[in-house]
Amino acid sequence: GDSVTQMEGPVTLSEEAFLTINCTYTATGYPSLFWYVQYPGEGLQLLLKATKADDKGSNKGFEATYRKETTSFHLEKGSVQVSDSAVYFCALSDRRYGNKLVFGAGTILRVKS
Amino acid sequence: ETGVTQSPTHLIKTRGQQVTLRCSSQSGHNTVSWYQQALGQGPQFIFQYYREEENGRGNFPPRFSGLQFPNYSSELNVNALELDDSALYLCASSLDSMEQYFGPGTRLTVT
Repeated sequence: GDSVTQMEGPVTLSEEAFLTINCTYTATGYPSLFWYVQYPGEGLQLLLKATKADDKGSNKGFEATYRKETTSFHLEKGSVQVSDSAVYFCALSDRRYGNKLVFGAGTILRVKS
Repeated sequence: ETGVTQSPTHLIKTRGQQVTLRCSSQSGHNTVSWYQQALGQGPQFIFQYYREEENGRGNFPPRFSGLQFPNYSSELNVNALELDDSALYLCASSLDSMEQYFGPGTRLTVT
């Protein structure tokens, strides 16, 4: 079945550092790809999405590009802040399966001031 | 416009008991999906309801069951609770199975 693999964490960065969290996927069809963020004690918030190859999703300074050739959707941010500390989940969904979300295991990001 | 709400926030049950979790979907949404998130893991899909009918199910045993009501709110029922059922249960609503919006979750602890 479809699956998502994320880089293991925790990732610890200093404020204003560059962030990359790697995400690769396996899918039989043409899924939509997502990044969700979960702050401590809260549910999931959609951070960004891309629905087809070469699409770039962006929000709040975060970006990710849907790369079909490498089956990847890496999350990047040029300058992280302490407030970005959270758990980040990469996910995919396929309309053929009712758009159920398949999540990676999550990557903890810690940003130090 | 209110977002997705879930109740209760936390609860503690004993092994073998039954539990019902509730979810109110976002206004205008007709689809509800439930996910189980064990500690330190990504959410796992339990099932989805679309216009009061089950519309897909993940790899969970039959003791996990659900309902969706005419107002599109939903319940998740778990019978014969096991220790491994301890998790954060997340509800997400959407319109016609499109982009999903998550509630804050219910933290279930089974002792």
